[in-house]
Amino acid sequence: EAQVTQNPRYLITVTGKKLTVTCSQNMNHEYMSWYRQDPGLGLRQIYYSMNVEVTDKGDVPEGYKVSRKEKRNFPLILESPSPNQTSLYFCASSLYASGVYNEQFFGPGTRLTVL
Amino acid sequence: QQQVKQSPQSLIVQKGGISIINCAYENTAFDYFPWYQQFPGKGPALLIAIRPDVSEKKEGRFTISFNKSAKQFSLHIMDSQPGDSATYFCAARRGASGGSYIPTFGRGTSLIVHP
Repeated sequence: EAQVTQNPRYLITVTGKKLTVTCSQNMNHEYMSWYRQDPGLGLRQIYYSMNVEVTDKGDVPEGYKVSRKEKRNFPLILESPSPNQTSLYFCASSLYASGVYNEQFFGPGTRLTVL
Repeated sequence: QQQVKQSPQSLIVQKGGISIINCAYENTAFDYFPWYQQFPGKGPALLIAIRPDVSEKKEGRFTISFNKSAKQFSLHIMDSQPGDSATYFCAARRGASGGSYIPTFGRGTSLIVHP
């Protein structure tokens, strides 16, 4: 089954404790991205990756890191989480960055709470 | 700066009625306008999308109307059903003409369809 998976689905942590949220896709997609979803703010892109070893900042990159060492994986790293990073996070992938029929597939989401 | 403005924030419709969600954008470089549907506990999923070279696109009960001169587009859900109850996001993105591939999302509309 073609899908984007994220782990963990739920995470409660404390301020300053480094964490990683994993994302993996099995569709051989080149483009992957991370979003955060906050009430009343919609979806905002954190980072994106056009291909292996190619990453760039989205709209809200502060406090986050990413890496793309393999095509299928795109982990999101919070080196020193803070309470304002409490949010619902989505990983997404698409075959390419653009194109009319270039559907973006979203993972199931990771709900992160930073105390 | 909110590049895609979505309204209303919430919408309640009776079964069989028409649901209308509106979006307005500012950046004339946007050339791809998808709508996403998100059910509770799930990631957004592409519902329907349109390019600015057409004024309307219909897929089943879902129709996008696009007004390029007004920089507005809207989603119409005909014969709304309780199963359509979800959050809907409009989005806009620049294509392969260059520049950022970061999609911009509206803030979402929570639709409730009463039986």
